[in-house]
Amino acid sequence: ETGVTQTPRHLVMGMTNKKSLKCEQHLGHNAMYWYKQSAKKPLELMFVYNFKEQTENNSVPSRFSPECPNSSHLFLHLHTLQPEDSALYLCASSQVRGRGTGELFFGEGSRLTVL
Amino acid sequence: GQQLNQSPQSMFIQEGEDVSMNCTSSSIFNTWLWYKQDPGEGPVLLIALYKAGELTSNGRLTAQFGITRKDSFLNISASIPSDVGIYFCAGPKTPGANSKLTFGKGITLSVRP
Repeated sequence: ETGVTQTPRHLVMGMTNKKSLKCEQHLGHNAMYWYKQSAKKPLELMFVYNFKEQTENNSVPSRFSPECPNSSHLFLHLHTLQPEDSALYLCASSQVRGRGTGELFFGEGSRLTVL
Repeated sequence: GQQLNQSPQSMFIQEGEDVSMNCTSSSIFNTWLWYKQDPGEGPVLLIALYKAGELTSNGRLTAQFGITRKDSFLNISASIPSDVGIYFCAGPKTPGANSKLTFGKGITLSVRP
């Protein structure tokens, strides 16, 4: 396994479904992130976890619920989403202290379509 | 909040040509990062710049940290088809926090064979 891996790569769900996105990083980093990428918009930071503790929530609706059980795994639980939530959801990791300069390493993304 | 401006939204060039992109901000940044996103993939870091005036190369790519600290440039020389993708500039929301980034909207580069 290399870098940051995300599953599933593609997900189609109805507005009443509950699903989860999974991210795993194999880089030994201590911080993980969820970003949302919509067409013609900048990447939007959603959540930040440092050492498994959530340190940032950028006014994300409660229908998105993150979970970080350890420094290598990050989940994004989805429920009662809206069609406008359709986007590419990118997970990233970084080393925020000590070695390295903190740059983000991204996964390949999970393409979500809400019907 | 801080915003990074990239334009135009799309660029079309012929294989073998050089291309230059810039990124501007109304705020000062202490770090500039350039990422490339291939179709269907996540962004990958190309070049990181940490000092005003710094010029850094990575193969055919060269990036510069503007001396005003409000802009940065990325140049690609002798373009090839695999240079196709979206090029994002990014900078930390707060000084020293290279992991909490603000991104530009990106420039989509197309290369005609």
